[in-house]
Amino acid sequence: QKEVEQNSGPLSVPEGAIASLNCTYSDRVSQSFFWYRQYSGKSPELIMSIYSNGDKEDGRFTAQLNKASQYVSLLIRDSQPSDSATYLCAVKVLTGGGNKLTFGTGTQLKVEL
Amino acid sequence: EPEVTQTPSHQVTQMGQEVILRCVPISNHLYFYWYRQILGQKVEFLVSFYNNEISEKSEIFDDQFSVERPDGSNFTLKIRSTKLEDSAMYFCASSEQQGANGNTIYFGEGSWLTVV
Repeated sequence: QKEVEQNSGPLSVPEGAIASLNCTYSDRVSQSFFWYRQYSGKSPELIMSIYSNGDKEDGRFTAQLNKASQYVSLLIRDSQPSDSATYLCAVKVLTGGGNKLTFGTGTQLKVEL
Repeated sequence: EPEVTQTPSHQVTQMGQEVILRCVPISNHLYFYWYRQILGQKVEFLVSFYNNEISEKSEIFDDQFSVERPDGSNFTLKIRSTKLEDSAMYFCASSEQQGANGNTIYFGEGSWLTVV
């Protein structure tokens, strides 16, 4: 069973702080990793993708991947109230069927004023 | 910016009725998908579609479900005889390529199906 695990939260951080979101996955052949943001009742919106071990930075967001530990994380610097949402970790295994993503249950982030 | 569009945004149907959810993927994309999300649960893969045929499907996608690309632009999901447990948000998605890194899946805004 291929699983993606996330702490459901809520994770509460004060405005301006760093939010750290974590994800573990069970399938060692997983190749690509994604963080999506989902506001309540809305569709997933891609925030970051990462494919190689290490860090990848994009603005206030940094994704970190450790394939040996089967761990991927997302750091949000200078958190804003508009960052309050559920963050979904998704993992892709290359198959003949295209981009089949396996999602975690998501971590709810609350950025407090 | 190109986007995936879905209709209807919300549909209420009686148990046992047939439902068709419609999607217009991004025009130059070749891979199409349906995902669903039951309220409060994770986003789940249903099916992927390429070159006018199903390329992969999940255990959820049983004989009650079918997909079709009838006219080169629309991509539909049909549920033949809806059950209460089919109530969920259904997301259509598309991508340009298959396996290349950096290939983004774009999601539509979703169709919320309520079976009563």
